[in-house]
Amino acid sequence: NAGVTQTPKFRILKIGQSMTLQCTQDMNHNYMYWYRQDPGMGLKLIYYSVGAGITDKGEVPNGYNVSRSTTEDFPLRLELAAPSQTSVYFCASIEDSPYYSPLHFGNGTRLTVT
Amino acid sequence: GENVEQHPSTLSVQEGDSAVIKCTYSDSASNYFPWYKQELGKRPQLIIDIRSNVGEKKDQRIAVTLNKTAKHFSLHITETQPEDSAVYFCAAYFPQGAQKLVFGQGTRLTINP
Repeated sequence: NAGVTQTPKFRILKIGQSMTLQCTQDMNHNYMYWYRQDPGMGLKLIYYSVGAGITDKGEVPNGYNVSRSTTEDFPLRLELAAPSQTSVYFCASIEDSPYYSPLHFGNGTRLTVT
Repeated sequence: GENVEQHPSTLSVQEGDSAVIKCTYSDSASNYFPWYKQELGKRPQLIIDIRSNVGEKKDQRIAVTLNKTAKHFSLHITETQPEDSAVYFCAAYFPQGAQKLVFGQGTRLTINP
């Protein structure tokens, strides 16, 4: 099992560019999450999904979009990148509700917008 | 709203001493409280968790206590070692509505030799 795989590991974007952060998991988990971690700060939830075809906003969804067409994949789309989106992005998955088992995190994508 | 406050933001202790990190949560319905450790440049990983039906849980040098009345919980690390240096995050599970984990701001723990 590869677990949760994120690509790319690093990316530099210019202001106004767009990109998609990829996240895939091979554990057949239903729940998937996108968090961002700003320097010296905690993890803020951007979007989450409880199953294929179902997505919902977290605490900081502005400037992002997601889709969940399959159980395995949960890409995060940045439209019109802004410097405020400079952060480390973590994707995570879990089989069922977070009450029952720990989150499995990917290795993160470090994004810089200049 | 759903909120978790974590203190202190940085903590420096001598090797062998104890370290304590504290968190408070906003919703009395929260019933699950995990702690994650994040080493430099790596992903967060679960180190210990506690559910609301117990007041304390221990795993070797790590323990977590929960006070439901006061809505706070704490991480205790005894006999600290250099490999304990990391950022620690507390989290609370909010079972209503979105059923999600909300994380605290993190504590950077440094163990001085």
